[in-house]
Amino acid sequence: QVQLHESGPGLVKPSETLSLTCAVSGYSISSGYNWGWIRQPPGKGLEWIGNVYHSGSTYYNPSLQSRVTMSVDTSKNKFSLKMSSVTAADTAVYYCARWGSSFDYWGPGTLVTASS
Amino acid sequence: NFMLTQPHSVSESPGKTVTISCTRSSGSIASSYVQWYQQRPGSSPTTVIYEDNQRPSGVPDRFSGSIDSSSNSASLTISGLQTEDEADYSCQSYDSSSQVFGGGTKLTVL
Repeated sequence: QVQLHESGPGLVKPSETLSLTCAVSGYSISSGYNWGWIRQPPGKGLEWIGNVYHSGSTYYNPSLQSRVTMSVDTSKNKFSLKMSSVTAADTAVYYCARWGSSFDYWGPGTLVTASS
Repeated sequence: NFMLTQPHSVSESPGKTVTISCTRSSGSIASSYVQWYQQRPGSSPTTVIYEDNQRPSGVPDRFSGSIDSSSNSASLTISGLQTEDEADYSCQSYDSSSQVFGGGTKLTVL
């Protein structure tokens, strides 16, 4: 069974960089598929942040592209998200997910609060 | 880029049928597949429809999806509503380089 799990600081100061990691079990990232980050501000809808392919290629939401970097570490079967210059508007539950014909496997999500 | 617009909320009685729409702002709805996700409070989303009208294993056949090119929209229809269907539903599609989610629809079964 494929499982994903997000980890990282739950509190980030404004103007600093948010860093999250998604650990994948039950499937080898190097075997294929694309891996995504999606966020959900409190009480709001889902927002796609970007995808990183097993090859390392990346695609980002144009509205976030200037602040986002994603990478994949196949040796550790993990992929990561970095978002710079965070503001209160970046407070959200951050999910990692696998993209096949849909986002078919999701992590439980981690709440990241941008506050001093 | 394009947007996907959903009604903020819908409500219907148990046993009835409800349809949730998802309208694409630009480009053809048929140009890329539409997915639908169910999200219960405090839980991660799960796929109920993929590739416009395909149901993952384990999703009841009460859930169905369709697209309508004339209105440039997709629809999720849930028949024989059950109280457990009460949740948020989000549509999602993509273009050559981006994924896009609709704003989500809160379904109340009352």
